[in-house]
Amino acid sequence: DQQVKQNSPSLSVQEGRISILNCDYTNSMFDYFLWYKKYPAEGPTFLISISSIKDKNEDGRFTVFLNKSAKHLSLHIVPSQPGDSAVYFCAASRRGGSQGNLIFGKGTKLSVKP
Amino acid sequence: SQTIHQWPATLVQPVGSPLSLECTVEGTSNPNLYWYRQAAGRGLQLLFYSVGIGQISSEVPQNLSASRPQDRQFILSSKKLLLSDSGFYLCAWSGLTNQPQHFGDGTRLSIL
Repeated sequence: DQQVKQNSPSLSVQEGRISILNCDYTNSMFDYFLWYKKYPAEGPTFLISISSIKDKNEDGRFTVFLNKSAKHLSLHIVPSQPGDSAVYFCAASRRGGSQGNLIFGKGTKLSVKP
Repeated sequence: SQTIHQWPATLVQPVGSPLSLECTVEGTSNPNLYWYRQAAGRGLQLLFYSVGIGQISSEVPQNLSASRPQDRQFILSSKKLLLSDSGFYLCAWSGLTNQPQHFGDGTRLSIL
């Protein structure tokens, strides 16, 4: 049973436009959400996180939105750049759960075309 | 600043051979440490985590084991590798639970 789902395996966007990456979760106990970016042959790099007490967190070109009622979060990248081309993973965890138990989605491969 | 090192970057091993992957963290004390595996076409799966020396928790039953002999050292081992152990293994650390985890560059393990 997949608790964190990224239903789009890939996304292609033109440089300068907005990239929107989506993530759905099933466990209503999750209260901390993260986005990671991964280049081939490298480990994931932490991008941005959001706690369930917020519905939006922004860091430069990256904004994460959380809709708790829909159990949905999204990552917006504006403007998209060719260097943003990578696989993006969303992850979730809950306080009081197994320490460090981040549940990851399968990832979405973003391609930003010049 | 904190850094995490994993080695080797790639490894090719025959079925039935032993395994030892090492991960070390610098620039922090008493980190939480994690081992993940990413199998082909799948997301990251947590294998083990450790909140202190000698303290290991396993998330999934498997052919692998982990040890933490020192505060900033985390080792993933197997006595006899299976074909299904192939994958991309990642070590990570965090300061506290529910803080972002930071990953090493991973080891690509191929079993022949």
